[in-house]
Amino acid sequence: QVQLQQWGAGLLKPSETLSLTCAVYGGPFSGYFWSWIRQPPDKGLEWIGEINHSGRTNYNPSLKSRVIISGDTSKNQFSLKLSSVTAADTAVYYCARDRSGVAVLEYWGQGTLVTVSS
Amino acid sequence: QSALTQPPSASGSPGQSVTISCTGTSSDVGGYNYVSWYQQYPGKAPKLMIYEVSKRPSGVPDRFSGSKSGNTASLTVSGLQAEDEADYYCSSYAGSNKVFGTGTKVTVL
Repeated sequence: QVQLQQWGAGLLKPSETLSLTCAVYGGPFSGYFWSWIRQPPDKGLEWIGEINHSGRTNYNPSLKSRVIISGDTSKNQFSLKLSSVTAADTAVYYCARDRSGVAVLEYWGQGTLVTVSS
Repeated sequence: QSALTQPPSASGSPGQSVTISCTGTSSDVGGYNYVSWYQQYPGKAPKLMIYEVSKRPSGVPDRFSGSKSGNTASLTVSGLQAEDEADYYCSSYAGSNKVFGTGTKVTVL
C-alpha cells in the first residue's frame, strides 16, 4: 500500500522560506507525478505544482516565481520550497501522487499546517 | 488560472440523489476528459472518488458517478447515506497546470 509521509516547519515569520518534504513508501517513485497542494483555513484546495521522476516540473502560474519543487529518487522523496512567505500562505499543505499527470491524485500525505505569523 | 465554479452547498435526504456541478472553460474542463472529484472530511486529506470524468477507483461505491457536457462536469451521488456528508472538490487538467473547484458542502438532511 502506497503511503506518503510529509514533514517540515509549521511556524514561519513573514519573508522566510517554507520548506516541506514528502517521502514515498510502498511504491515506486518512477512513473508518476508528485504534487503539492495547499488549503488555507476554511477555504478550498489550490494546486501548487508537481515534479515527475525525471525532474520535470510544472508550477501554478500564480506561485511560480516563489516555488521550487525538487525530487530525490534515491530516497523516494520530493520537496517544496516557497520563498518570501506572507500570512496569505498560511495553509495546510499536502503532498500527493498523481497517477498520470492529469489531475488523478490517488494518494495523499497527511497534511502539514504551516502558519505564517510575526 | 481561475478556480472552477461549484455551488457552495447541496443537500438531500437519505436515499435521494444529489448532483454537484463544476464549471470551467474550454482551457480546462471543456478541453480535456481529465476531470476528477475528491471527497474531504473535516481535518482529513481529500480522497479520490472519480477520475477521467466518469471512472471510479477501486473501493469507491457505484453510488458515485461522474459526467461532463461542454465546460461543465457533474458528480452525482445516488442513494445518499449519512457518510456522504462531506466537502467535494472537482479538479481538471489544464495543459501543464491543474485547477481545483471552489468546493461544495454536501449535507444529508
